Amino acid sequence: GAGVSQTPSNKVTEKGKYVELRCDPISGHTALYWYRQSLGQGPEFLIYFQGTGAADDSGLPNDRFFAVRPEGSVSTLKIQRTERGDSAVYLCASSLRDSKNIQYFGAGTRLSVL
Amino acid sequence: QKEVEQDPGPLSVPEGAIVSLNCTYSNSAFQYFMWYRQYSRKGPELLMYTYSSGNKEDGRFTAQVDKSSKYISLFIRDSQPSDSATYLCASLRYGKLTFGQGTILTVHP
Repeated sequence: GAGVSQTPSNKVTEKGKYVELRCDPISGHTALYWYRQSLGQGPEFLIYFQGTGAADDSGLPNDRFFAVRPEGSVSTLKIQRTERGDSAVYLCASSLRDSKNIQYFGAGTRLSVL
Repeated sequence: QKEVEQDPGPLSVPEGAIVSLNCTYSNSAFQYFMWYRQYSRKGPELLMYTYSSGNKEDGRFTAQVDKSSKYISLFIRDSQPSDSATYLCASLRYGKLTFGQGTILTVHP
């Protein structure tokens, strides 16, 4: 079936603006994850949903970042008052709810804050 | 100190060479260990995962974990130009993946 879908693939915004990034997980996957990847670095964990609730949001850098998953499928990562340091690739992954948590990644949204 | 350390390279090898990629980790609570491959402007793609110490083989790829020394390795035999990518090691605990920095590999014909 289809993989993890992320939209938009690229987003350019101005400092101080609000952005929303969307993730559509693999059908049937109950767990959904957001990571952020800066240039030349590995992905860093942001938040993890099991169903509709955030199971772990310890990676969110500050209160400008927020994510929702209201119906347990599609998720939106929201960033308020964007800063130049928020520029990165935001990756979404999904997995089945089992002990291995094998996570399958989307292609990411490349966010550029000017 | 990062929980997962990986030499970023870059690593350049001729086609057909055996490639060795390595990581170390510091958290004994990590449960699973993964290797992901990431092509430019793509998301990470899972190559291998292991749970216990020892070797796991899949085609040209072998993943090795030594929990006593907290060392993770990936070996690629008969490397091909299509293997040119960034290779990320990762450790899993309570649903969260902790990644190394990634090693950039180039296999030249």
